[in-house]
Amino acid sequence: DAKTTQPTSMDCAEGRAANLPCNHSTISGNEYVYWYRQIHSQGPQYIIHGLKNNETNEMASLIITEDRKSSTLILPHATLRDTAVYYCIVRDYGNQFYFGTGTSLTVIP
Amino acid sequence: GAGVSQSPRYKVAKRGQDVALRCDPISGHVSLFWYQQALGQGPEFLTYFQNEAQLDKSGLPSDRFFAERPEGSVSTLKIQRTQQEDSAVYLCASSLDAGGYEQYFGPGTRLTVT
Repeated sequence: DAKTTQPTSMDCAEGRAANLPCNHSTISGNEYVYWYRQIHSQGPQYIIHGLKNNETNEMASLIITEDRKSSTLILPHATLRDTAVYYCIVRDYGNQFYFGTGTSLTVIP
Repeated sequence: GAGVSQSPRYKVAKRGQDVALRCDPISGHVSLFWYQQALGQGPEFLTYFQNEAQLDKSGLPSDRFFAERPEGSVSTLKIQRTQQEDSAVYLCASSLDAGGYEQYFGPGTRLTVT
């Protein structure tokens, strides 16, 4: 039932931008793109979500392509504490989250 | 402000025992979700409450699993006659709105069935 495709793992140097891609080629018009992350032994943490426009908050930026078939989560200055599994989820209002297996991001000192 | 809390944090049960897992959502949150997370996998949806009403239980794996939220706040996930395949982390999340746009997760309960 997974609707998204993410790389299994990525590395990023501390202080550099981390760019996490996600493909969601079958996304429908009403479905939002969500990003959550899960640090080891903790519950998932909401990062950001968007529908069509790019979004930015204090944690990250979300860039959604014009055709909405893919998106990128950007952590502008990665720190060691950003090491986590990042989940890209597409979801219609009221429907359930399907997390998939996510991207394991390792920030390297 | 307290976040979502879950108890116990760890539970070891012998196969065949019944267990009850508790979730205390953020005060005032309308929606409450239960997820099951197996080792190395992402969370998988189990069930969803809007206030006291269980609106979706399509993810419950068998009739041994039962969830309730009688007063629209605290929720309990009960597993009867536990099996080894029930071993997982059980996560609870709550959301202020009915649609669950931004879900706040608890730390989870790690259940080990021996």
